[in-house]
Amino acid sequence: DGGITQSPKYLFRKEGQNVTLSCEQNLNHDAMYWYRQDPGQGLRLIYYSQIVNDFQKGDIAEGYSVSREKKESFPLTVTSAQKNPTAFYLCASSIDGTGSLAGGNEQFFGPGTRLTVL
Amino acid sequence: AQSVAQPEDQVNVAEGNPLTVKCTYSVSGNPYLFWYVQYPNRGLQFLLKYITGDNLVKGSYGFEAEFNKSQTSFHLKKPSALVSDSALYFCAVRAPILTGGGNKLTFGTGTQLKVEL
Repeated sequence: DGGITQSPKYLFRKEGQNVTLSCEQNLNHDAMYWYRQDPGQGLRLIYYSQIVNDFQKGDIAEGYSVSREKKESFPLTVTSAQKNPTAFYLCASSIDGTGSLAGGNEQFFGPGTRLTVL
Repeated sequence: AQSVAQPEDQVNVAEGNPLTVKCTYSVSGNPYLFWYVQYPNRGLQFLLKYITGDNLVKGSYGFEAEFNKSQTSFHLKKPSALVSDSALYFCAVRAPILTGGGNKLTFGTGTQLKVEL
């Protein structure tokens, strides 16, 4: 998990609340990603950012929002529009977000945040 | 669209025996393939990857994987399993960016490996 921190480790949300999950990396990586993990479904991509001030929707972006104002930070907001937000959320980064060879760079993952809706 | 299949939800093996965790993929063009391991309530750790070159790739902790283009497979192997290898293993694939793969990594659903004494 080294180099990528996520906070908090556990988060509880009431119905109708927005919550923000923090992700910070000190690896000087260009690209950052947010995934959601549910039992038996693997990881699903929520949003990704290849460079500062730019981001794209992943496969399950509805009910989520992100920002990328700094290279080292990629916070994820889970809005009240996300109907089933209880899950394990993983942030990742990779060294090069663009270029023809970028696809071969492995992603490094943070320790995760477990979000539970009360 | 790219996809990954891990046909076994769980693999059980005795310590000291060889282990195999299966992965097949579907992607346009030559794939980039990855294996990750996840311990309970932790993030994923990178094990190894195939980009190009030798079909047999060696990675961390004694793991290796063989890329088989004709069978579209990338099975993870280890000659002698340890109890400490017990974890959840994910295979992932990405198409080359020039073929429209972007930076999206598609994961399989994971295989739980249990190594027993």
